[in-house]
Order: sequence, then structure tokens, then C-alpha cells
Amino acid sequence: ETGVTQSPTHLIKTRGQQVTLRCSSQSGHNTVSWYQQALGQGPQFIFQYYREEENGRGNFPPRFSGLQFPNYSSELNVNALELDDSALYLCASSLLAGGLYEQYFGPGTRLTVT
Amino acid sequence: SQQGEEDPQALSIQEGENATMNCSYKTSINNLQWYRQNSGRGLVHLILIRSNEREKHSGRLRVTLDTSKKSSSLLITASRAAGTASYFCATVASGGYQKVTFGTGTKLQVIP
Repeated sequence: ETGVTQSPTHLIKTRGQQVTLRCSSQSGHNTVSWYQQALGQGPQFIFQYYREEENGRGNFPPRFSGLQFPNYSSELNVNALELDDSALYLCASSLLAGGLYEQYFGPGTRLTVT
Repeated sequence: SQQGEEDPQALSIQEGENATMNCSYKTSINNLQWYRQNSGRGLVHLILIRSNEREKHSGRLRVTLDTSKKSSSLLITASRAAGTASYFCATVASGGYQKVTFGTGTKLQVIP
């Protein structure tokens, strides 16, 4: 167990709806990254937050947004859901220091859009 | 887009045998990491190798890195049935923020 938790575990939403996924980072970590993993694929980087500021973003549209809170927990929000948003969403926390970057992943939230 | 390509896509071996997976990537990196994922759940960090390192060991894991060829390999010795999982390489880009880009993964099946 990594100490990173995510909620909910599973979620079913309808196309066009909005969803919020939550992540609680490992104690002492200052960075959280979110990934989308489609079935049979590797995780795709969505964005990263460092000390509550977005620190980098992958090739995802603006309807994917996030927040990081002072306690370093985080949210991923997706608006106007599309069928292709169905995937496993993973968050990973880490301590950004000295250029090394070992991430600790949560178990993921499986989102199904119908 | 995926940075790395793993080879093979799938591998099936007997328990006790060695498993070797390869990863190729495209851009300059700060470090390269290997992760394991069981049944579509969260990823588990296995080992990290820096761009100025050529080889690293951790238990039954041996990782090599060739930055001139932009490739890495993961060797798992004396595989166990519990090692059945998908294995991903992930690269951390040089400079800027620490973006991690995952490869396509190798599915390893260890037959008891």
C-alpha cells in the first residue's frame, strides 16, 4: 500500500455530465500528477500540481481541470463528459526534490461514460 | 502520446525463468523508471535509473540504460507466479517540470 487513496473506486456517468475525482496524497509529498489510462494502454499524463499550482499539462482539453489543496489532496474535474473519457484515472503523489521523481500511485478510479 | 515503446508486448514464461523487457524512448531524459501494474489497478514503482547511470540492481531486478540508443531493459530473474502483471517503463524529461511519460507496457505471464 502506497498511502495514496482515491475516491470513488468506480463511477458511471452519462455523456455530457460533469465528474469530480478525488485523491489524497502520501504524507510529506508536495506534488500530485493525474493520469488517464484507457484499456490496454499505458497511462497518459493529464497534468501535475506542485504546491497548489499547475506545474505542467499533457495533451488534454480545458474541460479537464484540477485543484490541489493546502493539505496536498487533489481533485480532477471533467466537464461535458464524452464516451472516450471512459478510463481508469490514476493519481500519483511525489516529492519533487533534486530532479528525482519517484511516484506513488493510488489504486485508481474507474470511470464509465454511457 | 506515448514516449516509450515496450518490447515484447506480451511474454509468457515458466516460474523460475528470467524475463527481459525492453523499452525505447524518443527524447532526452532526466531518469527512467519501471512500474508494475496488477489487473488494471494502481502502479507500483519498481526501480529508477538516472540518465548518467548505465546499470542498476534491486533484488531480482536489473535495469540497464543506454542513452545513446535511447533504450532500457528490465531483467527479472527467477520469476514468480505473483510477478504476473503489466510492466511499464516511464521517462522523466530533462529540464522544466518533471513530466512522466509512460510506454505501452509489456504483459508478463508467469506460469506456475
